[in-house]
Amino acid sequence: GAVVSQHPSWVICKSGTSVKIECRSLDFQATTMFWYRQFPKQSLMLMATSNEGSKATYEQGVEKDKFLINHASLTLSTLTVTSAHPEDSSFYICSARDRQGARGYTFGSGTRLTVV
Amino acid sequence: QQQVKQSPQSLIVQKGGISIINCAYENTAFDYFPWYQQFPGKGPALLIAIRPDVSEKKEGRFTISFNKSAKQFSLHIMDSQPGDSATYFCAANLGAGGGNKLTFGTGTQLKVEL
Repeated sequence: GAVVSQHPSWVICKSGTSVKIECRSLDFQATTMFWYRQFPKQSLMLMATSNEGSKATYEQGVEKDKFLINHASLTLSTLTVTSAHPEDSSFYICSARDRQGARGYTFGSGTRLTVV
Repeated sequence: QQQVKQSPQSLIVQKGGISIINCAYENTAFDYFPWYQQFPGKGPALLIAIRPDVSEKKEGRFTISFNKSAKQFSLHIMDSQPGDSATYFCAANLGAGGGNKLTFGTGTQLKVEL
């Protein structure tokens, strides 16, 4: 089955520093990757969509300079939270889809970010 | 128009019972309706999905019922088990024209009691 590996699973960082989260598709080519943010007991909120080799498309209200997304290859996308602040503390989840969508959407296991 | 409304917010079912979660949508352009199961601290995992040309799909203990005219779909979990205790999300996809984005429901916390 399709597998998406997301690392790290949790990270604690100091306010003002940057954190990078990686999302890798292990057994398929992820032409499109999605990044979500989820607050406790809430639904997934789409932050941005990235297509391999293209700039990410951000949802309304999401700061593209704060949440840098890179999708340089068909198996890897990264989300960098720049100059993190406590309000950026959240659960971040990636999802990957192949070109035909035959495998549907495969989600990573999520990253718990805590900014102190 | 992009919303997917999900109910109930929480649900308690006895072991062996049937869990039913409902979702409703407005946008008739949605063309794929998956259900996801999420355990605390984990990413969502696909349970079962349906396309609008099918009225019902069953996989093991999980069944999706789809009513295209009413723009509603539901998840039935038969013979519910304590291990099914999790949060369930319905979702809907707009297809390539909508950037292949998934719109999620608000989630249902299911607890299956012994």
